[in-house]
Amino acid sequence: GDSVTQMEGPVTLSEEAFLTINCTYTATGYPSLFWYVQYPGEGLQLLLKATKADDKGSNKGFEATYRKETTSFHLEKGSVQVSDSAVYFCALSGGSQGNLIFGKGTKLSVKP
Amino acid sequence: ETGVTQTPRHLVMGMTNKKSLKCEQHLGHNAMYWYKQSAKKPLELMFVYNFKEQTENNSVPSRFSPECPNSSHLFLHLHTLQPEDSALYLCASSQEAPGDYGYTFGSGTRLTVV
Repeated sequence: GDSVTQMEGPVTLSEEAFLTINCTYTATGYPSLFWYVQYPGEGLQLLLKATKADDKGSNKGFEATYRKETTSFHLEKGSVQVSDSAVYFCALSGGSQGNLIFGKGTKLSVKP
Repeated sequence: ETGVTQTPRHLVMGMTNKKSLKCEQHLGHNAMYWYKQSAKKPLELMFVYNFKEQTENNSVPSRFSPECPNSSHLFLHLHTLQPEDSALYLCASSQEAPGDYGYTFGSGTRLTVV
Protein backbone atom coordinates (compact mmCIF):
# COMPACT_ATOMS: atom_id res chain seq x y z
CA GLY A 1 0.00 0.00 0.00
CA ASP A 2 0.89 3.66 -0.14
CA SER A 3 3.27 4.90 2.53
CA VAL A 4 5.47 7.79 3.62
CA THR A 5 8.88 7.54 5.26
CA GLN A 6 10.51 10.54 6.86
CA MET A 7 13.73 10.92 8.75
CA GLU A 8 13.75 10.11 12.42
CA GLY A 9 14.12 12.98 14.80
CA PRO A 10 14.66 14.85 16.85
CA VAL A 11 16.62 17.36 14.79
CA THR A 12 18.38 20.07 16.78
CA LEU A 13 19.78 23.13 15.00
CA SER A 14 21.11 26.52 15.91
CA GLU A 15 19.25 29.60 14.76
CA GLU A 16 20.04 30.57 11.13
CA ALA A 17 21.21 27.04 10.26
CA PHE A 18 20.08 25.27 7.07
CA LEU A 19 17.32 22.72 7.47
CA THR A 20 16.59 19.57 5.49
CA ILE A 21 14.02 17.00 6.53
CA ASN A 22 13.95 14.01 4.21
CA CYS A 23 10.72 12.44 3.00
CA THR A 24 10.27 9.58 0.56
CA TYR A 25 7.08 7.90 -0.50
CA THR A 26 5.65 4.77 -2.07
CA ALA A 27 2.48 5.17 -4.06
CA THR A 28 0.54 3.80 -6.97
CA GLY A 29 -0.57 6.50 -9.33
CA TYR A 30 0.33 10.17 -8.93
CA PRO A 31 -0.42 11.44 -5.45
CA SER A 32 -0.34 15.01 -4.22
CA LEU A 33 2.31 15.62 -1.56
CA PHE A 34 2.10 17.76 1.55
CA TRP A 35 4.07 19.04 4.49
CA TYR A 36 2.20 19.81 7.69
CA VAL A 37 3.54 21.47 10.84
CA GLN A 38 2.34 20.91 14.40
CA TYR A 39 3.29 23.46 17.05
CA PRO A 40 3.14 22.40 20.71
CA GLY A 41 -0.42 21.96 21.95
CA GLU A 42 -1.93 22.50 18.51
CA GLY A 43 -3.33 20.52 15.62
CA LEU A 44 -1.64 20.15 12.26
CA GLN A 45 -1.40 23.09 9.86
CA LEU A 46 -0.78 22.81 6.15
CA LEU A 47 2.68 24.24 5.42
CA LEU A 48 2.99 23.60 1.69
CA LYS A 49 1.94 21.23 -1.05
CA ALA A 50 2.73 20.05 -4.56
CA THR A 51 0.30 18.31 -6.86
CA LYS A 52 2.49 17.02 -9.70
CA ALA A 53 6.04 16.07 -10.56
CA ASP A 54 8.59 18.91 -10.52
CA ASP A 55 6.19 21.24 -8.71
CA LYS A 56 7.78 23.24 -5.91
CA GLY A 57 5.69 24.12 -2.89
CA SER A 58 6.80 27.04 -0.74
CA ASN A 59 5.59 28.96 2.30
CA LYS A 60 7.19 30.96 5.14
CA GLY A 61 10.68 30.33 3.73
CA PHE A 62 10.15 26.56 3.53
CA GLU A 63 10.38 24.76 0.19
CA ALA A 64 9.91 21.24 -1.12
CA THR A 65 10.09 19.87 -4.68
CA TYR A 66 8.07 16.90 -5.91
CA ARG A 67 10.70 14.51 -7.33
CA LYS A 68 9.02 11.61 -9.10
CA GLU A 69 12.31 9.98 -10.19
CA THR A 70 13.49 9.67 -6.59
CA THR A 71 9.98 9.50 -5.03
CA SER A 72 10.99 12.25 -2.63
CA PHE A 73 9.62 15.50 -1.22
CA HIS A 74 12.33 16.84 1.06
CA LEU A 75 11.60 19.92 3.17
CA GLU A 76 14.21 22.70 3.22
CA LYS A 77 14.68 26.11 4.77
CA GLY A 78 17.73 28.28 4.37
CA SER A 79 17.76 29.89 7.81
CA VAL A 80 15.69 28.49 10.66
CA GLN A 81 14.34 30.50 13.58
CA VAL A 82 13.49 29.51 17.13
CA SER A 83 9.83 29.91 16.19
CA ASP A 84 10.20 27.06 13.66
CA SER A 85 10.51 24.57 16.51
CA ALA A 86 7.69 22.10 15.90
CA VAL A 87 6.92 18.64 14.56
CA TYR A 88 6.85 18.34 10.77
CA PHE A 89 4.78 15.72 8.94
CA CYS A 90 5.11 14.62 5.35
CA ALA A 91 1.93 13.26 3.76
CA LEU A 92 0.52 12.04 0.47
CA SER A 93 -2.98 11.67 -0.86
CA GLY A 94 -3.44 7.97 -1.47
CA GLY A 95 -5.53 4.93 -0.92
CA SER A 96 -8.80 4.21 -2.59
CA GLN A 97 -10.47 7.36 -1.24
CA GLY A 98 -7.55 9.75 -1.69
CA ASN A 99 -7.23 10.14 2.07
CA LEU A 100 -4.03 11.59 3.47
CA ILE A 101 -1.37 9.14 4.61
CA PHE A 102 1.14 10.63 7.05
CA GLY A 103 4.71 9.92 7.99
CA LYS A 104 5.65 9.54 11.65
CA GLY A 105 6.72 13.15 12.02
CA THR A 106 10.09 14.79 12.67
CA LYS A 107 10.57 16.98 15.70
CA LEU A 108 12.69 20.07 15.10
CA SER A 109 14.21 22.08 17.92
CA VAL A 110 15.96 25.35 17.10
CA LYS A 111 18.26 26.83 19.75
CA PRO A 112 19.05 30.57 19.97
CA GLU B 1 -8.61 29.83 14.72
CA THR B 2 -8.27 27.27 11.95
CA GLY B 3 -11.93 26.99 10.95
CA VAL B 4 -12.26 23.60 12.65
CA THR B 5 -13.20 23.74 16.32
CA GLN B 6 -12.86 20.82 18.70
CA THR B 7 -14.27 20.61 22.20
CA PRO B 8 -13.27 19.93 24.86
CA ARG B 9 -9.54 20.64 24.56
CA HIS B 10 -8.76 18.33 27.46
CA LEU B 11 -10.71 15.40 28.89
CA VAL B 12 -9.97 13.02 31.72
CA MET B 13 -12.30 10.07 32.04
CA GLY B 14 -12.52 6.82 33.93
CA MET B 15 -12.76 3.51 32.16
CA THR B 16 -16.45 3.17 32.97
CA ASN B 17 -17.45 6.68 31.87
CA LYS B 18 -19.25 7.73 28.72
CA LYS B 19 -18.18 10.96 27.06
CA SER B 20 -18.31 12.60 23.64
CA LEU B 21 -15.87 14.65 21.60
CA LYS B 22 -17.26 17.32 19.33
CA CYS B 23 -15.93 18.78 16.09
CA GLU B 24 -17.44 21.64 14.12
CA GLN B 25 -16.44 23.28 10.83
CA HIS B 26 -17.94 26.13 8.84
CA LEU B 27 -15.64 25.94 5.86
CA GLY B 28 -18.20 24.45 3.52
CA HIS B 29 -16.33 21.16 3.46
CA ASN B 30 -18.13 17.91 2.80
CA ALA B 31 -15.73 15.39 4.31
CA MET B 32 -14.74 15.02 7.95
CA TYR B 33 -12.23 12.77 9.67
CA TRP B 34 -11.16 11.49 13.06
CA TYR B 35 -7.47 10.79 13.65
CA LYS B 36 -5.72 9.40 16.72
CA GLN B 37 -2.26 10.71 17.55
CA SER B 38 -0.26 8.71 20.09
CA ALA B 39 3.31 9.29 21.15
CA LYS B 40 5.92 7.61 18.94
CA LYS B 41 3.28 6.34 16.47
CA PRO B 42 2.09 7.63 13.10
CA LEU B 43 -1.21 9.42 12.86
CA GLU B 44 -3.95 6.80 12.71
CA LEU B 45 -6.99 7.46 10.56
CA MET B 46 -10.05 6.23 12.46
CA PHE B 47 -13.15 7.28 10.55
CA VAL B 48 -14.07 9.14 7.38
CA TYR B 49 -17.40 10.75 6.57
CA ASN B 50 -18.33 12.03 3.14
CA PHE B 51 -21.60 13.95 2.83
CA LYS B 52 -22.62 12.59 6.26
CA GLU B 53 -22.06 8.99 5.18
CA GLN B 54 -19.34 6.93 6.80
CA THR B 55 -16.99 5.78 4.07
CA GLU B 56 -14.12 4.39 6.09
CA ASN B 57 -13.67 2.64 9.42
CA ASN B 58 -10.14 1.49 9.95
CA SER B 59 -10.79 -1.45 12.27
CA VAL B 60 -11.55 0.84 15.18
CA PRO B 61 -12.80 -0.88 18.36
CA SER B 62 -16.53 -0.53 18.99
CA ARG B 63 -15.90 1.46 22.18
CA PHE B 64 -15.39 4.38 19.75
CA SER B 65 -18.63 5.35 18.02
CA PRO B 66 -18.72 8.20 15.50
CA GLU B 67 -21.72 10.28 14.56
CA CYS B 68 -22.09 12.81 11.76
CA PRO B 69 -25.52 14.49 11.89
CA ASN B 70 -24.63 16.99 9.11
CA SER B 71 -21.63 18.06 7.06
CA SER B 72 -20.61 20.64 9.67
CA HIS B 73 -20.59 18.51 12.80
CA LEU B 74 -18.82 15.33 13.82
CA PHE B 75 -18.89 13.55 17.15
CA LEU B 76 -16.88 10.73 18.66
CA HIS B 77 -18.75 8.91 21.42
CA LEU B 78 -16.55 7.13 23.93
CA HIS B 79 -17.44 4.36 26.38
CA THR B 80 -15.54 1.80 28.45
CA LEU B 81 -12.19 3.02 27.18
CA GLN B 82 -8.82 1.58 28.10
CA PRO B 83 -5.72 3.44 29.31
CA GLU B 84 -4.04 2.80 25.95
CA ASP B 85 -6.76 4.92 24.34
CA SER B 86 -5.17 7.99 25.94
CA ALA B 87 -4.03 10.16 23.04
CA LEU B 88 -4.65 13.37 21.14
CA TYR B 89 -7.76 13.02 18.98
CA LEU B 90 -7.74 15.22 15.93
CA CYS B 91 -10.64 16.16 13.72
CA ALA B 92 -10.12 17.36 10.17
CA SER B 93 -12.24 18.42 7.24
CA SER B 94 -11.73 18.73 3.50
CA GLN B 95 -13.46 19.06 0.18
CA GLU B 96 -14.98 15.85 -1.09
CA ALA B 97 -11.76 15.00 -2.95
CA PRO B 98 -8.93 16.07 -0.66
CA GLY B 99 -6.06 15.32 -3.00
CA ASP B 100 -5.23 18.80 -4.17
CA TYR B 101 -6.21 20.80 -1.11
CA GLY B 102 -5.34 18.67 1.89
CA TYR B 103 -7.12 18.83 5.20
CA THR B 104 -7.86 21.52 7.75
CA PHE B 105 -7.29 20.26 11.26
CA GLY B 106 -8.70 21.28 14.58
CA SER B 107 -6.50 21.75 17.64
CA GLY B 108 -7.42 18.37 19.04
CA THR B 109 -8.78 16.92 22.27
CA ARG B 110 -6.19 15.58 24.68
CA LEU B 111 -7.82 12.50 26.20
CA THR B 112 -6.54 10.79 29.33
CA VAL B 113 -8.15 7.54 30.45
CA VAL B 114 -7.57 6.70 34.10
